[in-house]
Amino acid sequence: SAVISQKPSRDICQRGTSLTIQCQVDSQVTMMFWYRQQPGQSLTLIATANQGSEATYESGFVIDKFPISRPNLTFSTLTVSNMSPEDSSIYLCSGGTAVAGGYTFGSGTRLTVV
Amino acid sequence: RKEVEQDPGPFNVPEGATVAFNCTYSNSASQSFFWYRQDCRKEPKLLMSVYSSGNEDGRFTAQLNRASQYISLLIRDSKLSDSATYLCVVNWSNKFYFGSGTKLNVKP
Repeated sequence: SAVISQKPSRDICQRGTSLTIQCQVDSQVTMMFWYRQQPGQSLTLIATANQGSEATYESGFVIDKFPISRPNLTFSTLTVSNMSPEDSSIYLCSGGTAVAGGYTFGSGTRLTVV
Repeated sequence: RKEVEQDPGPFNVPEGATVAFNCTYSNSASQSFFWYRQDCRKEPKLLMSVYSSGNEDGRFTAQLNRASQYISLLIRDSKLSDSATYLCVVNWSNKFYFGSGTKLNVKP
């Protein structure tokens, strides 16, 4: 299965600023996704990162707040824009090719907005 | 209604015990099913896929009941290292939807 490197692993940011999180996969994968995990809660899907086109966002998430890029089959970025303390969370990317084999995750980015 | 629902626990069991988790899902068109394990402050990792016929991997047995739309995970002979949160995951349209997780504490 694919190995995903995610960075930064953590950051503390001022409100009103933006942070870009990167995920690099060691092999080409068909699907890549971005999730958010609030403390003590499960993962919420933010969007599907589509290679060469605009991401597909889930209800409650919009491109202006969470712009996503996926220039190729091994790399994607998520930007958390104009941050507020409510954006403090863990952000995880995930990817894979064969659904039947499950998808793997990056190690997560722990974001704190102050 | 959430797409995937689980009992959050925690389940506190002694070493060697057998413990079972259940999970229900709302979308009858769901195509594939998984159990993931998440350790504290770590990313989720695939534990096992769940097949219609049921499947076993060592001490772990997973079962799927499509008619009732639930999935189960049975852990036999619990080890201290099994302590974690177990996430039920359901796929449709190539996207994964996660349950809130069931926390397991295995005690000596």
